[in-house]
Amino acid sequence: AQSVAQPEDQVNVAEGNPLTVKCTYSVSGNPYLFWYVQYPNRGLQFLLKYITGDNLVKGSYGFEAEFNKSQTSFHLKKPSALVSDSALYFCAVRDDRGSGYALNFGKGTSLLVTP
Amino acid sequence: NAGVTQTPKFQVLKTGQSMTLQCAQDMNHNSMYWYRQDPGMGLRLIYYSASEGTTDKGEVPNGYNVSRLNKREFSLRLESAAPSQTSVYFCASSESGYQETQYFGPGTRLLVL
Repeated sequence: AQSVAQPEDQVNVAEGNPLTVKCTYSVSGNPYLFWYVQYPNRGLQFLLKYITGDNLVKGSYGFEAEFNKSQTSFHLKKPSALVSDSALYFCAVRDDRGSGYALNFGKGTSLLVTP
Repeated sequence: NAGVTQTPKFQVLKTGQSMTLQCAQDMNHNSMYWYRQDPGMGLRLIYYSASEGTTDKGEVPNGYNVSRLNKREFSLRLESAAPSQTSVYFCASSESGYQETQYFGPGTRLLVL
């Protein structure tokens, strides 16, 4: 089955510094990878996705993600972090077991950006 | 365009009580999903509906039932609530296809005492 792993429960970054939230994947066939963000007491908001093509994917709010096939990674990045970026981030991969195109999620990484 | 809406936002139940969580989408999507979110476990699929008139079990279906009432609405029912069902429940929808984005509702926070 398709799966993703987020190795860090929490990432701490100072405002203005670059941030990286890590995600590795395990798939058979083509990976369809997604990043979502969840602010406190809110639903998940879509940030970006990798389907095919360029390995650098640009998304909402200045975020981007780099798809690396050799390292089976899809890390989320932002050049300059904002305090308002503090949230819970989820990496997800499309399931291939006939579940109506459902997503398999990682456990989430809490990002804290300090002033 | 409201996207995906869910009701109620918050609910407290006693063990053994029943309730239905409502979900509606106005994006004309074929596929709809119910997930639950528990701390440190990400989101897990409870049930899904690949198209109007079909429903199937996901990873954690025990204790739940669903109804795809029409293309817009997909409800989740707890027949006899248990404390283990204390969670945040999210409904989502998407077009059919591996490349399509799923859009999520705001969630229902459920506490079972």
